[in-house]
Amino acid sequence: DQQVKQNSPSLSVQEGRISILNCDYTNSMFDYFLWYKKYPAEGPTFLISISSIKDKNEDGRFTVFLNKSAKHLSLHIVPSQPGDSAVYFCAAKSGGSNYKLTFGKGTLLTVNP
Amino acid sequence: DTGVSQDPRHKITKRGQNVTFRCDPISEHNRLYWYRQTLGQGPEFLTYFQNEAQLEKSRLLSDRFSAERPKGSFSTLEIQRTEQGDSAMYLCASSLEYRGETQYFGPGTRLLVL
Repeated sequence: DQQVKQNSPSLSVQEGRISILNCDYTNSMFDYFLWYKKYPAEGPTFLISISSIKDKNEDGRFTVFLNKSAKHLSLHIVPSQPGDSAVYFCAAKSGGSNYKLTFGKGTLLTVNP
Repeated sequence: DTGVSQDPRHKITKRGQNVTFRCDPISEHNRLYWYRQTLGQGPEFLTYFQNEAQLEKSRLLSDRFSAERPKGSFSTLEIQRTEQGDSAMYLCASSLEYRGETQYFGPGTRLLVL
């Protein structure tokens, strides 16, 4: 039972354009969401997060949107750069004292020069 | 602040052998987590510590796995009688108690069981 789903295994975009990575979740108890970027042979690097009380959070070129009614979030990267090429993981956490993160399977983003 | 460190980065072992991995969290972080990642999957939660107390364990953590954090600083993850199915990347993460949502990961230890 996959509670966090990233249905696109890969995405290819041109440098300078927008990259949109999507994530769906099924557990209505999730109240905090994070995006991580991962290069080969390295651990995940935290990018941006959003609490369920918000619908948008921005940090530089990265914006995360949350649609609670649709149980959907997305990560927008504008403008995309070749150095953004990596696997992007969506993760979610339930409320209360449960700090376990539940991850999706990841989306491989390739930004072409 | 040098981030979360893990040692070794790579480990090759034969089936049936015991292995131990070490994680050093970010110095002021009192929460420490272990995850496992296999090919094509996202990281899966194994266990978590607050200071030296192990507060949660996943069903993935069979009785061959044991984790400790004896002084609330570094942690070790031991796998006894390794099996080929244990081959994976073992990731450690840490966080502050009052910002436990954001976990910072180390580079991982890649284990290959032959």
